[in-house]
Parts: sequence; structure tokens; C-alpha cells
Amino acid sequence: GNSVTQMEGPVTLSEEAFLTINCTYTATGYPSLFWYVQYPGEGLQLLLKATKADDKGSNKGFEATYRKETTSFHLEKGSVQVSDSAVYFCALSRRNTDKLIFGTGTRLQVFP
Amino acid sequence: GAGVSQSPSNKVTEKGKDVELRCDPISGHTALYWYRQRLGQGLEFLIYFQGNSAPDKSGLPSDRFSAERTGESVSTLTIQRTQQEDSAVYLCASSLTLELFFGEGSRLTVL
Repeated sequence: GNSVTQMEGPVTLSEEAFLTINCTYTATGYPSLFWYVQYPGEGLQLLLKATKADDKGSNKGFEATYRKETTSFHLEKGSVQVSDSAVYFCALSRRNTDKLIFGTGTRLQVFP
Repeated sequence: GAGVSQSPSNKVTEKGKDVELRCDPISGHTALYWYRQRLGQGLEFLIYFQGNSAPDKSGLPSDRFSAERTGESVSTLTIQRTQQEDSAVYLCASSLTLELFFGEGSRLTVL
């Protein structure tokens, strides 16, 4: 079946460090891929997405590239800030309006 | 407001009681989703509505769980005879295209 696997956290970094959160997926066909973020005390919100192979999603300095050959969608940011501390969820959807299948989430903690 | 609204935000109940959780989606969003998030775990899909029909109920964990939706509006998730393992945050989301918009969730605690 379809599934998403992401690295366990917490990931603890100092401000301005480089961030990678790994995400791999298993799916039939060509899913759309997403990263959602949950800031403390807030609901989940879409961070970025990619709908086809080799697409790069980007937002707020975060990037992720849809790699079909490695079935991956790793999240990266060149210089993290304390305000990036949150839980990050990788997700896939097989087609428009279908349900999202989420990974277990990775908590990021950034210290000054 | 313009976002997804859920109520109650917190609910404490005794084992064996029934609970109802409500979701008001963003106006015009045809799709509505319910997820469950247990402490320290990922999001578990429960049910998906397209309009007022539910083409995917595969995530409902038992027959104690049911959900309904009125047209393309409010949805109610009902848990009968609650058990302690039902304790979780129940999240609702709505969408028109690929992006899901989530509410802040209803935290259910079953004593």
C-alpha cells in the first residue's frame, strides 16, 4: 500500500545550521508530495508541495525536490531560525481530492 | 473566521460515554477529512467526504466511530461508548484542490 517514512526526531540544531529531514515514500503511480508544518499551539499548515517528478517545492527558505528514482522528498533549509521550531510532516496524495497519507512527523528544535 | 473551525477544543469524558465532535469547513470546500493524532504519533486517517458522501471510510477504527456531513457544510464525528484508547486530538481538514486546510483540533481525553 501507499506509505510515507520520515526520520525520527527530535532534530536539534543551533540557529543558522543546515537542516535536512529525510522522507521516502511507497506508492503506485505518480503521487503528489507535501510537507506540512505544525507550529506549537497551531494547526497543521501546508509548507510546500510538488506534483510531479523533478519538481521542486519551496517556501520560507525550505525546499524539497520530488525524486522518483529514489522515491524521496527530503526537506532542506540552508540556515534555520529559532522560529522554525515545529513538527514537520511529510505526506503523499495519489490524486486530487484523495486523502493525504502522513508520515509520523519529525520534531525540529532550534536553539539560539 | 475564514478557517476550519472545530469544537469543542477540549473534551474530557468518562469511559463509556458518547461524544460528538464538530467541524465547520471553509465555505465552498467540497472535500472534508477527519484524522486522529495520538500523543507522539503521526496523523491517522479516519474518513473522507466529498460533498455529503463518504467514498472512503477505511480509517474508522471500529463501529463505535461514525461521521456524517450535511451537504458541503458541517461534519460531525461521533464516538460511542468511548474507551481510553480513543484519547487523542481529532483533526478536521477541508480542501478544494490539493491543499488541505486544517482546524486546530479537538483534544479528547477519556478517563
